[in-house]
Amino acid sequence: QKEVEQNSGPLSVPEGAIASLNCTYSDRGSQSFFWYRQYSGKSPELIMFIYSNGDKEDGRFTAQLNKASQYVSLLIRDSQPSDSATYLCAVISSGSARQLTFGSGTQLTVLP
Amino acid sequence: DGGITQSPKYLFRKEGQNVTLSCEQNLNHDAMYWYRQDPGQGLRLIYYSQIVNDFQKGDIAEGYSVSREKKESFPLTVTSAQKNPTAFYLCASSGGALTSNKNIQYFGAGTRLSVL
Repeated sequence: QKEVEQNSGPLSVPEGAIASLNCTYSDRGSQSFFWYRQYSGKSPELIMFIYSNGDKEDGRFTAQLNKASQYVSLLIRDSQPSDSATYLCAVISSGSARQLTFGSGTQLTVLP
Repeated sequence: DGGITQSPKYLFRKEGQNVTLSCEQNLNHDAMYWYRQDPGQGLRLIYYSQIVNDFQKGDIAEGYSVSREKKESFPLTVTSAQKNPTAFYLCASSGGALTSNKNIQYFGAGTRLSVL
């Protein structure tokens, strides 16, 4: 069973701080990695995707991938109360024909 | 207005009844997916389809059925064999024109199914 693990939280940070969300995956052959944000009662929306080792930045968001350690993270700089949501890590494992395996999500609360 | 439309938003099922959830997309995506989400959990794959008239079981297909007669449509039937159907059901699609984007899945607004 290919697994994706996330700390369930909840994670609380003060407004303006950096929020760090972590994800590990079991399949060393995984190639594609995604972060989705899900507000309570809503459907997931894509925040970032990353395919190569290293960092990828988009505005206040940075995704970091380390395939050797089988670790992907999401950093949110200058956190805002509107960032309060559950963040889902998803991975396309090797040989899975574009199927996503999701972690259980980390609940983030940004305190004003 | 391009996107993925799921209906209904809320659905109630009586014991022994089959119910069908609708999913339509106008993104010209080739692949479509159905997920189930239970409270405080991640998404689990029920069925997926990469091409018209073909679909495969996901991790939790028992008690569910699908069809893919048109590229735009991928309805999910929750049968009476699914004994614990209460959940949030999400439909997604993928398959953008750019190779780097074809794996990105976009989601509909979801259907909440409850048992009466």
